Parts: sequence; structure tokens; C-alpha cells
Amino acid sequence: GQQLNQSPQSMFIQEGEDVSMNCTSSSIFNTWLWYKQEPGEGPVLLIALYKAGELTSNGRLTAQFGITRKDSFLNISASIPSDVGIYFCAGQLGGTYKYIFGTGTRLKVLA
Amino acid sequence: DAGVTQSPTHLIKTRGQHVTLRCSPISGHKSVSWYQQVLGQGPQFIFQYYEKEERGRGNFPDRFSARQFPNYSSELNVNALLLGDSALYLCASSPAPGQTSEKLFFGSGTQLSVL
Repeated sequence: GQQLNQSPQSMFIQEGEDVSMNCTSSSIFNTWLWYKQEPGEGPVLLIALYKAGELTSNGRLTAQFGITRKDSFLNISASIPSDVGIYFCAGQLGGTYKYIFGTGTRLKVLA
Repeated sequence: DAGVTQSPTHLIKTRGQHVTLRCSPISGHKSVSWYQQVLGQGPQFIFQYYEKEERGRGNFPDRFSARQFPNYSSELNVNALLLGDSALYLCASSPAPGQTSEKLFFGSGTQLSVL
């Protein structure tokens, strides 16, 4: 099935470090959503973006809607052990109701 | 307030059987979407329903069907199960599709294993 390119695929970081991940596509999207998923659970919504260039924060998380509308970025500042999980981006194609998800970034934090 | 609820949480079936998964959206939400998540991948869109009508369908065979009830809850049905249907099936609700500030909220999913 169709998935967005998300990078990095996985990363180990030290507690307290900042994390950056991104999602890219050849298609234009109207909305970008960022999720965190832990084992055995459904994705939990972190941040929603609706306009090109928009920058939105949620605590230590900051996400941006790329100005080309084909990409989005998520930053986590001062990571803590509970940040461990898989982070997914999801873009909504214009004129449709479906969201296309990224391949996921698996984050592991070393205390 | 309760979030999106799905039942059952786990299910084991054999090839060729039929399965029905259920979802109750967040109170006040009128749109329900279904996604399939195979291990190690992101969720894949199956269906979206709004006001009891199908508004979108992903690239899944006709063995997959769904419906939405007057109380906005939804069922996903899969016939003639194949081994490849083993996955986490996620239900998501939103107030209404296509809004400029739409947010999609997921349930914990139903883990389906086909033997």
C-alpha cells in the first residue's frame, strides 16, 4: 500500500538530546497529523497542522507544515525515556478523505 | 469522556472464516474510518463513513465491507479470511470529514490473527 517516506527509520538517542524526524512525499497534502504509537496500542495524536508554513508546538514537541505542502517535520526537545515509541506522520490528500501514513520512526532513548 | 472504543481487542480465526469488528466513535463525532496496520508498517486506509454513507474506500478487495449505524457506531466485516489479513485493525473518529481543522482520533485496535 501507499506510504510516505519517513526518516530516520529508527534512532537511539541519549536522554536530554533533541530529536528531529521528517516526512516527505511527491503529493501535496492539505493536512498533516503526527502520532505516537506504543506496542499494543493505537496511534495517539500529538500535533495537527493545516496550513503551509505553520509551526505548532505541544510541550516539548514542535512540528512544521512544509511550505511546498509535500513534507512535514517533527522535533522533540530534551528527550526523556517515556518518549520511546514509534512516531508516524499522516498526510491528507486534497480532495479525499483518506490519510496516508508514513513508514514510521522508531525512537529509543538511552537513560 | 470516553475515547474511541473497539471490540473485541483480540481475535483468532482460521482461513476462510468471516469476522466482524466493532467501533464506537467519540461522543459527538459523526465520521468513522477504518485502517489496517500490518506489523512493522504504518496504518493503511480501508474505509471512511460519514452520516451512514461510504465517503472513501482504499485499495482493499471486496471481501472487506463496512457500515455505519444511526448512532454513528460502525462495523468492519471481512469475508473469506486469508493469512495476509492478520493485522491490527484500527478505527478512527472525527467530527466530520474534510473540515479545515480535522483531527483523527484512534482506538486501541483489534488484533486479528488468521491461522
